[in-house]
This record gives sequence, structure tokens and C-alpha cells, in this order.
Amino acid sequence: DTAVSQTPKYLVTQMGNDKSIKCEQNLGHDTMYWYKQDSKKFLKIMFSYNNKELIINETVPNRFSPKSPDKAHLNLHINSLELGDSAVYFCASSQAGEGQQFFGPGTRLTVL
Amino acid sequence: SQQGEEDPQALSIQEGENATMNCSYKTSINNLQWYRQNSGRGLVHLILIRSNEREKHSGRLRVTLDTSKKSSSLLITASRAADTASYFCATDAINTGFQKLVFGTGTRLLVSP
Repeated sequence: DTAVSQTPKYLVTQMGNDKSIKCEQNLGHDTMYWYKQDSKKFLKIMFSYNNKELIINETVPNRFSPKSPDKAHLNLHINSLELGDSAVYFCASSQAGEGQQFFGPGTRLTVL
Repeated sequence: SQQGEEDPQALSIQEGENATMNCSYKTSINNLQWYRQNSGRGLVHLILIRSNEREKHSGRLRVTLDTSKKSSSLLITASRAADTASYFCATDAINTGFQKLVFGTGTRLLVSP
């Protein structure tokens, strides 16, 4: 009965590779997000989708491409991975008009 | 940067003591939220306080908001070892809606038995 799930939990890859992280929520929410948490625990929003439409893109490099096939899924594809992409990536969801966001367990990405 | 700041960065107390952490932010807001993050886990929502509210309680949590000073505090009373975690404030700026939260830098709380 997991609310927001992400796969994989850990991802170790070489520079230059392309990788994807998947996110699913079973809460019936209409808004989903991707956040990046760096090594100093700073958490910053990357993208937000509402009903499959992109509504926030926080000047993220275009190597990052989110895709929302339906309201319950928001995947993140990263091309040409760089060392600086190493971080923990969190997916979250909420219902529009409600402030509380529900977070997934995170995906720890390590780029070697 | 819009990022809010929290202090202290780290707090170490004994079980049973109260823990207070503070958050300052930079822009006018719709609401302010507090989240907890256990080590290696996702964030869990604790409490939301709207800009027209000054104080809110939830169990052992008490949150205050002073919009004139652009600051908030989170008080955890009678702390337990299980309260050990990082605590983040998050603001939702006016005109951006609920979709864009700006998180503070976090306070790491250690509660010793």
C-alpha cells in the first residue's frame, strides 16, 4: 500500500551514460514533482506536473527530461550523466489546492 | 537564492527535553510547512500553517509564524529518541501556488536516550 514509490532505490553509473528513474503514486493526486537533494541536504524542486502538463521547470539542464504518461506516473530521464548529477532524487505528489506533499523514498544516484 | 535558512544547523538534546528550531524565509508566503526526514528516507509532512495563522499545534508539535519577521519556529515537546531526524521548513510563495515549495537548509536533531 505504498503511497509514492520510486525505482530504483540506488543507481550507480558511469559519466556519459543515460539513465531513468521511475515514480508512481497511488494516492489519486493530480500533481507530481521531482526534487534533487545534494550532499549538503539542500532540497530543490526540479519539475512539477499537473494532470500530465509541465507547470514548473526550474532551469534544469535539458539533459533532464521528465515524462508523465498519466497522472499516476512521472518518470525522469537523464542523458549524458555528469559527476554533478550525483544526488538523491525525490519524487512527490499532492492534490492541487492542498499544500501537503507526499514524498517517495528517494533514488540515490552516483555518477562515477 | 530563495532558499530559507534554519537554525540551529544541528541540535543535540536528551530524551524528555524540548527542541526548538527556527526558520527564516525571504518572500511573502501563502503558507509554511514543516517536514521531517529520517536518515536515508523521504520527507514526511508534519504540519502546515497558513499566512493568516500565528500558532498551530499537532500532538507534541507547536509551530509559530511571524510574517512580519518572515520567520517560523517548530517546538517539539518531551522529545523521544524516535524524533531523531532532520527537520525542514518549506514555504509556498504568493503567486506561485502550492506547486512550488522552497525548502530551508534543515536542522539535524539528535535525541539521546
